[in-house]
Amino acid sequence: DQQVKQNSPSLSVQEGRISILNCDYTNSMFDYFLWYKKYPAEGPTFLISISSIKDKNEDGRFTVFLNKSAKHLSLHIVPSQPGDSAVYFCAAYTNAGKSTFGDGTTLTVKP
Amino acid sequence: DAGVIQSPRHEVTEMGQEVTLRCKPISGHNSLFWYRQTMMRGLELLIYFNNNVPIDDSGMPEDRFSAKMPNASFSTLKIQPSEPRDSAVYFCASSFRGNYNEQFFGPGTRLTVL
Repeated sequence: DQQVKQNSPSLSVQEGRISILNCDYTNSMFDYFLWYKKYPAEGPTFLISISSIKDKNEDGRFTVFLNKSAKHLSLHIVPSQPGDSAVYFCAAYTNAGKSTFGDGTTLTVKP
Repeated sequence: DAGVIQSPRHEVTEMGQEVTLRCKPISGHNSLFWYRQTMMRGLELLIYFNNNVPIDDSGMPEDRFSAKMPNASFSTLKIQPSEPRDSAVYFCASSFRGNYNEQFFGPGTRLTVL
């Protein structure tokens, strides 16, 4: 049973447009969610997070939205830049610190 | 700070051999995580430690896998004996428990078992 799902393996957008990456989860015990970005041959790096008590968190071009009733979160990148091209992982955490990652979405931003 | 350090970066071994992967977390971090990434299964959490104590090893695939954290600055992941299906990229990550949610990942060890 995959508790965190990123249903879109890939996404392609034009530079300057909005990128929307989606993530769904099933475990109601998750209380914190993070997005990580990963370039080839490197480890994932933290991008942005959101607590389950919030429904939105914004950091520059990146905004994460959380819909607890739907068990859904999304990452918005606007405007998208070619340097944003990477694999994006959604991760969900319990308050004990255990993390569960989605399979990732490969974002390609075309110049 | 140098970040999370993993060694070796690449390991090629033959089936049946013992493999040891090493990790040095960021100084001051007291949580350490081992992950495995494969094409088929994505990024899987194998085990994590808080204050050098294993908290959850439910992700360890089988008894051939073992992990230790003898002190706050060092951890090992051992596979004995190794099998071709163990071929993957193994990541170590660390975090500060007070900010346990943001994990800092190492560059990974690419393991190939022939």
